[in-house]
Parts: sequence; structure tokens; C-alpha cells
Amino acid sequence: DVKVTQSSRYLVKRTGEKVFLECVQDMDHENMFWYRQDPGLGLRLIYFSYDVKMKEKGDIPEGYSVSREKKERFSLILESASTNQTSMYLCASSLGSNTIYFGEGSWLTVV
Amino acid sequence: AQSVAQPEDQVNVAEGNPLTVKCTYSVSGNPYLFWYVQYPNRGLQFLLKYITGDNLVKGSYGFEAEFNKSQTSFHLKKPSALVSDSALYFCAVRDWGSARQLTFGSGTQLTVLP
Repeated sequence: DVKVTQSSRYLVKRTGEKVFLECVQDMDHENMFWYRQDPGLGLRLIYFSYDVKMKEKGDIPEGYSVSREKKERFSLILESASTNQTSMYLCASSLGSNTIYFGEGSWLTVV
Repeated sequence: AQSVAQPEDQVNVAEGNPLTVKCTYSVSGNPYLFWYVQYPNRGLQFLLKYITGDNLVKGSYGFEAEFNKSQTSFHLKKPSALVSDSALYFCAVRDWGSARQLTFGSGTQLTVLP
């Protein structure tokens, strides 16, 4: 089975802090994704990566950056956290255009 | 641009009755279509997908979905609902010829009443 692991399930950070959300997949997938989920808005794509050191902006990249130094790891970075970034963050991966598999999610609260 | 609509925020059904969760889509080319389920405080789990071929797709946990090209729909169905099916369901679409990411609907909360 595909396993996508998000290292932090629940985080509480202060406004202005730099926040790192880490994601690791074990299936050698070239594509990795970060989504944000908010009630009534569904999932919105923040960034995705189709190869090491490659990235593309999704629908809502503002306030976020990403890093992919190794194929299995994709990090989401909030340079200066704000309260409107309080949300659930979902990491996912896929092989080519096939099914996307998700991690368990990271609940971030910014106070 | 691709888009997905799930017209019902909430669907209630009695246990043992058939259930339907609706989804319509818009893509410029041929669609890849997916259904995912999310239980409370969990990530999304893949249920089923349509790529090509038979319009009726069978997936996990007894769910199936019917692809209707003329109506641009991909409704999720199950002949007999279980209380344990209560969850949040997401439909998603990707255009064959476009970028790799999926576009998701806003989700439908399914509640199966005992």
C-alpha cells in the first residue's frame, strides 16, 4: 500500500512564526502535492512538484513556499504564519497521472 | 479550466436504503474522475475512478459510480447504505491533457441514519 506520512498531526503556532510541514511518501512517486482544506471550500491546491527541485504554483500559493530536495520528501513552508492560515493541510503523491494518495493531514492553528 | 460541482452539502439516508451522492464536472478534454471519502480528522481515502471503458465503475466498500458523458455527471452510488458509510465525500476531476493536479468539489456530508 502507498503510504504518505505527515510528520505533525496537530500544531499550534504564533503569528509571525516560520512553520514547516513535512511529508514523506514511500512509493517512489514523482508527483507530490500540498492541499489546504477548509469547510465549505473543499480542497485547494497550494503547490505541487513533479520532480526533485521542481515546483509549480497551485490555486492559492500566496504566503506559502515549498521545498523538494529529495524525491520522497516534500515540505510546505509558511514564512510568517498568519491567523488566516489556520487550516487542515493535506499532502499527497501520485505516479504520473494516476490516482493521488493522501496523508492523514496536519491541523495547523495560528494564534 | 476544469471544475467540479457537488450540488448537495448534506445527504441523509436511512440504513439499508440506496444512496446517491451527486457530482457534475467540466473539462475541456476527456476526464479522469475520482471519488474520495474522508472520515473525521483523517485524510482522504481513494474509493474509485473512471478513466475509460465501462461507464459503471465499481470501487471499495461496495460503492460504484456511473459516468454519464452527455450529462457530464459522475454520481456515487451504493445499493444499501451502512451507518459506517457516514462521512464526507469528495468528487474530483482531471483533464487527460492538462496538468497533473486534481480539482475537487466542495464535498458532500453523507449521514446514514440507523
